[in-house]
Amino acid sequence: ILNVEQSPQSLHVQEGDSTNFTCSFPSSNFYALHWYRWETAKSPEALFVMTLNGDEKKKGRISATLNTKEGYSYLYIKGSQPEDSATYLCAFEMYSGGGADGLTFGKGTHLIIQP
Amino acid sequence: GAGVSQSPRYKVTKRGQDVALRCDPISGHVSLYWYRQALGQGPEFLTYFNYEAQQDKSGLPNDRFSAERPEGSISTLTIQRTEQRDSAMYRCASSSLSGANVLTFGAGSRLTVL
Repeated sequence: ILNVEQSPQSLHVQEGDSTNFTCSFPSSNFYALHWYRWETAKSPEALFVMTLNGDEKKKGRISATLNTKEGYSYLYIKGSQPEDSATYLCAFEMYSGGGADGLTFGKGTHLIIQP
Repeated sequence: GAGVSQSPRYKVTKRGQDVALRCDPISGHVSLYWYRQALGQGPEFLTYFNYEAQQDKSGLPNDRFSAERPEGSISTLTIQRTEQRDSAMYRCASSSLSGANVLTFGAGSRLTVL
């Protein structure tokens, strides 16, 4: 059983503040780490796919870093806006012989931006 | 129960057969969601319920797919006349209607259509 953990589970942030949260995953058989932004009754929106140790990706005010040796990734949001309110999911993709072997999701960090 | 329980965990069926996948959410959780996830892909929203009422079924791929939650607890996702392209992991999640609204996922039902 793969253990993908996200923390915190829930986060309240004032509009304009910056924030970050964590995804931890197994450090062996790493293939890729995915971040999704998810508004509940919709399909999650893919933010980043990260494959290399030390990767940093950026999309607007959102960025992510990756450490595959120690098994964690951080997602950062700079200058939070109300539209950033969502659940942020990470998913670990394991290498398995012939290639990737599906996605194991964390439980998500539910972010609420307060005006 | 303590978590979201899905059954069966694995289902292999022949093309053309009907399958029923069950989700037993956390006791007291009002909202229940169905997603599917093809190998190597992200989750695809199918439908969701608040209590027994189906709120949105826009994600159901076609009319072979249906879902029900007659008593506002256990839900069944039914796929009629299965096709190979239906092969995927079908995942259920539930949440309370509290402010945090954090989703708890089940382990999923892996469907393989031969």
